[in-house]
Amino acid sequence: EAQVTQNPRYLITVTGKKLTVTCSQNMNHEYMSWYRQDPGLGLRQIYYSMNVEVTDKGDVPEGYKVSRKEKRNFPLILESPSPNQTSLYFCASSPSPGGTYEQYFGPGTRLTVT
Amino acid sequence: GQNIDQPTEMTATEGAIVQINCTYQTSGFNGLFWYQQHAGEAPTFLSYNVLDGLEEKGRFSSFLSRSKGYSYLLLKELQMKDSASYLCAVKNAGNMLTFGGGTRLMVKP
Repeated sequence: EAQVTQNPRYLITVTGKKLTVTCSQNMNHEYMSWYRQDPGLGLRQIYYSMNVEVTDKGDVPEGYKVSRKEKRNFPLILESPSPNQTSLYFCASSPSPGGTYEQYFGPGTRLTVT
Repeated sequence: GQNIDQPTEMTATEGAIVQINCTYQTSGFNGLFWYQQHAGEAPTFLSYNVLDGLEEKGRFSSFLSRSKGYSYLLLKELQMKDSASYLCAVKNAGNMLTFGGGTRLMVKP
């Protein structure tokens, strides 16, 4: 089944404790992206990647890191999480960002930083 | 930068037609998407417009006017399952995607 998977789905952690949220897609998509969704602010793009070893900042990259060593994986790293990073996170992928291709979203990761 | 505006909430009756508007200001335009998101779930793709005009897909249609920075999503023959948030998103020339805050649609019997 073609899908985007994220792990974990739920995470409660403490300020300053490094964490990684994994994202994987099995559709051989070139484009992958991370978003956060907060009430009243909608979906905001954190980072995106057009292909392996190519990553770019979105609207809200501060406090986050990403890497794209393989086409299928695009992990989101929070080196020192803070309470303002409590949010719902979505990973998404697309065959190509340049055309009419839709983005396929993962199920979401709900992160709470205390 | 980019700015996207859409109403926060709308209410409509089952079987009716509803139009959800989206206005945008963007530095470079490379297409506009509409997504549907049910509570607690991931967004799912509804439509894509890059040229002016109307794109029809079953009960859903989407319209774009690039000169006015305006789009709308039209939902016909509303069903209870259409109760969801509808997200307007604009892609800029650099392929960055910016979402509006979403419109929460409530369909009543």
